[in-house]
Amino acid sequence: GAVVSQHPSRVICKSGTSVKIECRSLDFQATTMFWYRQFPKQSLMLMATSNEGSKATYEQGVEKDKFLINHASLTLSTLTVTSAHPEDSSFYICSARDRGTGNQPQHFGDGTRLSIL
Amino acid sequence: QKEVEQDPGPLSVPEGAIVSLNCTYSNSAFQYFMWYRQYSRKGPELLMYTYSSGNKEDGRFTAQVDKSSKYISLFIRDSQPSDSATYLCAMRGGTASKLTFGTGTRLQVTL
Repeated sequence: GAVVSQHPSRVICKSGTSVKIECRSLDFQATTMFWYRQFPKQSLMLMATSNEGSKATYEQGVEKDKFLINHASLTLSTLTVTSAHPEDSSFYICSARDRGTGNQPQHFGDGTRLSIL
Repeated sequence: QKEVEQDPGPLSVPEGAIVSLNCTYSNSAFQYFMWYRQYSRKGPELLMYTYSSGNKEDGRFTAQVDKSSKYISLFIRDSQPSDSATYLCAMRGGTASKLTFGTGTRLQVTL
């Protein structure tokens, strides 16, 4: 149980393109999903917390207009990197917590490797 | 000082060895403690999840939490080459709190 699916796993695109990443909880409902960014050999950096039906909460230093988050249902959150540039190249990972009880741990997707040329 | 300290390694052990991975933390509000395993180019996979102090065992893995010392450990018995990965400790306070991660320890189990 507690499977989180993230798609696509790999994206290579030109500078200026907008890229959408999907995060789905497959066998549970997630009121809250999280978006992280990870640089090589570093730990995960939380970008934003996504709540179903409301606006996302962004961490300090993360541009809201650059990283658009939508959490339209209890099983789907999307991250759109708008007008991506080479410095946005990174490994993006989502996670979700089961809404069943507030004490559940986060389960992670397999990440999306984004490369901007 | 970081909220969570974890030795980045790399830690290299022979197959069959007992591995000890540790994290220390400074925030006494942390109540929930997790260990994740992350293979290269993959997302973190939950290994152990514990609440407050005590031990928890699952197969070859044992997690220990000592809140009085603000110290958590993950033990891996009979380590296998397939255990080679980065191990991340993570913790949080109340139910709505976000996770705070350690930097991760890279483990290499050699034949």
